[in-house]
Amino acid sequence: DTGVSQNPRHKITKRGQNVTFRCDPISEHNRLYWYRQTLGQGPEFLTYFQNEAQLEKSRLLSDRFSAERPKGSFSTLEIQRTEQGDSAMYLCASRQTNEKLFFGSGTQLSVL
Amino acid sequence: DQQVKQNSPSLSVQEGRISILNCDYTNSMFDYFLWYKKYPAEGPTFLISISSIKDKNEDGRFTVFLNKSAKHLSLHIVPSQPGDSAVYFCAAETSGSRLTFGEGTQLTVNP
Repeated sequence: DTGVSQNPRHKITKRGQNVTFRCDPISEHNRLYWYRQTLGQGPEFLTYFQNEAQLEKSRLLSDRFSAERPKGSFSTLEIQRTEQGDSAMYLCASRQTNEKLFFGSGTQLSVL
Repeated sequence: DQQVKQNSPSLSVQEGRISILNCDYTNSMFDYFLWYKKYPAEGPTFLISISSIKDKNEDGRFTVFLNKSAKHLSLHIVPSQPGDSAVYFCAAETSGSRLTFGEGTQLTVNP
């Protein structure tokens, strides 16, 4: 399978806990994106990387959120001290610059 | 500020007929537009795109039209099939940076 891979597919956590999601992009893609989607809305941009450099962060990304892409390969998105409002589908996507964007299947987060 | 808007949350059509999904944008710097299709519990899948230098792009049953003066694009699916039932997202970007998505339109194609 050479698509974008995200783990876990589902995560249930209690409010206040920390969670970490992983994304493995398509191997030759230099850009990696994180989006968040809630019911009835389109994907909202969170942040993106070109290789290992984080080029842009949305104002939606509070200081409880941090993303990394060490060595320009896989990426992790960590949410600290989760809140119920963090419940959403977290989508990862990758692309070569100026090519189309390929999405993973997402991680569905539920904060109880 | 919602820069990409899809004003119809849902659309229902009969199998074999044409489906027309609409999208409006406000940012005149957008130079590339895409449509994605999404099934429940899956990530969005690329469908078709159009550059701002064109006004039409066709791929099989799918055609995207761009009206830059009106800042409007539309996706035509003809003939519509039950398997086309999904949520369709319009997206736009500037110079290959990041995509901005609309809210989506749920298309239902009835047999």
